[in-house]
Amino acid sequence: QVQLQQSGPGLVKPSQTLSLTCAISGDTVSSRSAAWNWIRQSPLRGLEWLGRTYYRSKWSNDYALSVKSRIIINPDTSKNQFSLQLNSVTPEDTAVYYCARGVLAGTGDALDIWGQGTMVTVSS
Amino acid sequence: SYVLTQPPSVSVAPGKTARITCGGNNFGSVSVHWYQQRPGQAPMLVIYHDRDRPSGIPERFSGSNFGNTATLTISRVEAGDEADYYCQVWDISSDHPVVFGGGTKLTVL
Repeated sequence: QVQLQQSGPGLVKPSQTLSLTCAISGDTVSSRSAAWNWIRQSPLRGLEWLGRTYYRSKWSNDYALSVKSRIIINPDTSKNQFSLQLNSVTPEDTAVYYCARGVLAGTGDALDIWGQGTMVTVSS
Repeated sequence: SYVLTQPPSVSVAPGKTARITCGGNNFGSVSVHWYQQRPGQAPMLVIYHDRDRPSGIPERFSGSNFGNTATLTISRVEAGDEADYYCQVWDISSDHPVVFGGGTKLTVL
């Protein structure tokens, strides 16, 4: 049974970096049939996909244009986890952040396993 | 890129059938996935690839995708089905390839 366990701080100061980690059990981050995603949810913007990392014959990333200049998603094969770094945060980045596994279903990935969510507040 | 339109709310009596729609352009060319989110919980996949159910999801949940509208149907609605429901597609040609609908609050009367 695949599970995702998130960790990271719930409070980040403006202009600093938001960092979260998602530990995987029951699957591997280097699986060739999965992608590892970050999504956030806020009352203003609803569910918003941020990006993903995945391994096929090499590691690749896809990022949402809205955060592309500020985001890094990295796999960590030694710990079987992946991480989110969002730089230069503002109060608009306040949201619940989720990690999720994506698996191909038809023409695009379905997010079939989700982490528990982390409420991140950007405030001084 | 896709814009997915869902009704903000749907109400249904217990034992009846709830239908939640998701409107988008040219849906026939993409697969639609559906998620249930109960208060305080993470979303949970209930339908993928238009009509397939993950293991553990009751047969009461079904999906369809015709023309420009995808529909999540919940038969014999129970109190525990009260939640927010979101549709989602992949639009690989977009700068935001993963697109979610705005969500529909299902209220069981």
